Amino acid sequence: GNSVTQMEGPVTLSEEAFLTINCTYTATGYPSLFWYVQYPGEGLQLLLKATKADDKGSNKGFEATYRKETTSFHLEKGSVQVSDSAVYFCALSDHAGGTSYGKLTFGQGTILTVHP
Amino acid sequence: GAGVSQSPSNKVTEKGKDVELRCDPISGHTALYWYRQSLGQGLEFLIYFQGNSAPDKSGLPSDRFSAERTGGSVSTLTIQRTQQEDSAVYLCASSLDLGTPTDTQYFGPGTRLTVL
Repeated sequence: GNSVTQMEGPVTLSEEAFLTINCTYTATGYPSLFWYVQYPGEGLQLLLKATKADDKGSNKGFEATYRKETTSFHLEKGSVQVSDSAVYFCALSDHAGGTSYGKLTFGQGTILTVHP
Repeated sequence: GAGVSQSPSNKVTEKGKDVELRCDPISGHTALYWYRQSLGQGLEFLIYFQGNSAPDKSGLPSDRFSAERTGGSVSTLTIQRTQQEDSAVYLCASSLDLGTPTDTQYFGPGTRLTVL
């Protein structure tokens, strides 16, 4: 079956530090990959996505590259801000198995706290 | 409306009671998903609707859980004879297209269910 594994958290950084949150996946077909973010007191919202190998998703200074050879989709940001404090979820949806819809399989989430 | 809405935002109920959770998707979105977010299990898929049909109910944890969608719009998730392990945040999401894996899902704020 499909699965997503995220690095253990929580992650605590100082403002302007470099951020990496690791994400690896297992899928039976050709997944699309997503990063969702949940800010305190708010709902899940899409941060970025990539739909095929070697694609790079980017948004708000965050980037992630779909690496099929390493089955990874690591999230990076060069300089984090206090406002980036949130829970980050890596997720995939899969084309295989006769299901062509977008059911998401999520990682366990990584709590990021950025201090001034 | 501008986004996915869910009601109620919070629900406290006694063990054994039935509850109904409502989701209003973004107008025109044909695909609708229910997920559950709990401390022990993370984010889990429950059920997927395409229009008023539910081609995938595989995530419903027991026959106490059911869902329907009417008019290709509003969806209701019903939990009968609630148990304490049903306590979680129930999330609804919708997407514009035919529920393909590349679609972006837009999430509602969730309903926090507490079973005493």
